[in-house]
Amino acid sequence: EVQLLESGGGLVQPGGSLRLSCAASGFTFSSYAMSWVRQAPGKGLEWVSAISGGGGATYYADTVKGRFTISRDNSKNTLYLQMNTLRAEDTALYYCTKDRISANWGQGTLVTVSS
Amino acid sequence: DIQMTQSPSSLSASVGDRVTITCRASQGISNYLAWFQQKPGKAPKSLIYAASTLQSGVPSKFSGSGSGTDFTLTISSLQPEDFATYYCQQYNSHPLTFGGGTKVEIK
Repeated sequence: EVQLLESGGGLVQPGGSLRLSCAASGFTFSSYAMSWVRQAPGKGLEWVSAISGGGGATYYADTVKGRFTISRDNSKNTLYLQMNTLRAEDTALYYCTKDRISANWGQGTLVTVSS
Repeated sequence: DIQMTQSPSSLSASVGDRVTITCRASQGISNYLAWFQQKPGKAPKSLIYAASTLQSGVPSKFSGSGSGTDFTLTISSLQPEDFATYYCQQYNSHPLTFGGGTKVEIK
């Protein structure tokens, strides 16, 4: 059974940083692209970033480009999202998803950016 | 970037109704389209990929169609567990983009 478990969310001041993690199990992690998708309170889904299975290709939404960095450690079956220079509008529930079609989703980790 | 436009943004329907949601891409995306269902307080669930292929375990009352720029999600006979918000997403090219969502409510 595919399992995705996000962690690392919390309350951070504007301009601060956080690193999210997503521990994956139940599939051959290195064979699949992975994505981060977020959902602001009461709003729709927003794709944030994706990374290829080997980690050599990364992609970002314009809203986070230059501030967020996606990475993965295939030896640890873990996906990361380093978030710098956080803004109030980055407040959201952050999900990790498996493969380009987001066939599986974690339960999310909440990031709140507020002073 | 490819814009995805869903309609309607919300609808009211009764149990047993046939419901259709549409999704339009701002440029052609072949069949690289997925549909998701989200219930309040829960993570989204994948229903359909490649425009019309049901994910494993998804009941056949859900169906998807379309190619190019115009797509539809149909629920053949709405049941109480189907009241939720539905999203489309294109995965033809990065940045991947979602539609704004369609909330299906009980009439």
